[in-house]
Amino acid sequence: EPEVTQTPSHQVTQMGQEVILRCVPISNHLYFYWYRQILGQKVEFLVSFYNNEISEKSEIFDDQFSVERPDGSNFTLKIRSTKLEDSAMYFCASTLGRANTGELFFGEGSRLTVL
Amino acid sequence: QKEVEQNSGPLSVPEGAIASLNCTYSDRGSQSFFWYRQYSGKSPELIMFIYSNGDKEDGRFTAQLNKASQYVSLLIRDSQPSDSATYLCAVTSNTGKLIFGQGTTLQVKP
Repeated sequence: EPEVTQTPSHQVTQMGQEVILRCVPISNHLYFYWYRQILGQKVEFLVSFYNNEISEKSEIFDDQFSVERPDGSNFTLKIRSTKLEDSAMYFCASTLGRANTGELFFGEGSRLTVL
Repeated sequence: QKEVEQNSGPLSVPEGAIASLNCTYSDRGSQSFFWYRQYSGKSPELIMFIYSNGDKEDGRFTAQLNKASQYVSLLIRDSQPSDSATYLCAVTSNTGKLIFGQGTTLQVKP
C-alpha cells in the first residue's frame, strides 16, 4: 500500500541551528501538508502546498519556516534557526484532492528535539 | 472560541461496551468531518469521514453528524482493549485545510 515516508524519524539539534525535515508523499498525490504536534497538545496545521507553491499557511509558519519540492518527489520543511519551542513531532501529509474531499494520508512523523 | 472542541477525557469503558466520543465545531461552513485514531507516539490514522447529516456505519464504528447543532460523534461498539487510543475529530475549513480538536483519550479496560 502506498505510504508517506518521512526522514529523519528523530532529530536532536541545538537552538539556533537549521533543520530540514524530509517527506516523500504518495506519488500521485497533488496536495501536501505539514502539521506539527507539541507533546500532549493537538495536531496543528502549518502549511499546505499545491502546484509548487504555498496555498495556505498558519500563524505558526513564520519567516523561520520554508517548504519546497525540489525534485518532484521530496517535500521538505526547513526551519532556519530553531527555537526551544519548535520541539515537536512534525507530520507530513498528502492527498489526491483537497483535504475536504477525502483522506489525508500522514507519514509516521519526525520528532524534533531542540536543546 | 475554539474551532474544534473535544473532551480530553480519559473516557474509560469496559471491554465490550459502547464508547461514545463527541466533538463540536464552530465553523458553520464546514463541509467534511473526520475521525482519526492516534496511538501514543504515532501518526493519526483515519477511521471514518462523514459529509452528510445522519449516521454512517463502518464495522464497529458509527459516525453521526448534526450540522444544525454543529456536532459530530463517533460510536465504537464492542470496544476492545486495542481501541485504547486518542481519538481526534477533524473538520475542514472553508479553505480546505483540516483543523483538529485536541482529542479524547479512550481507555478500554479488559
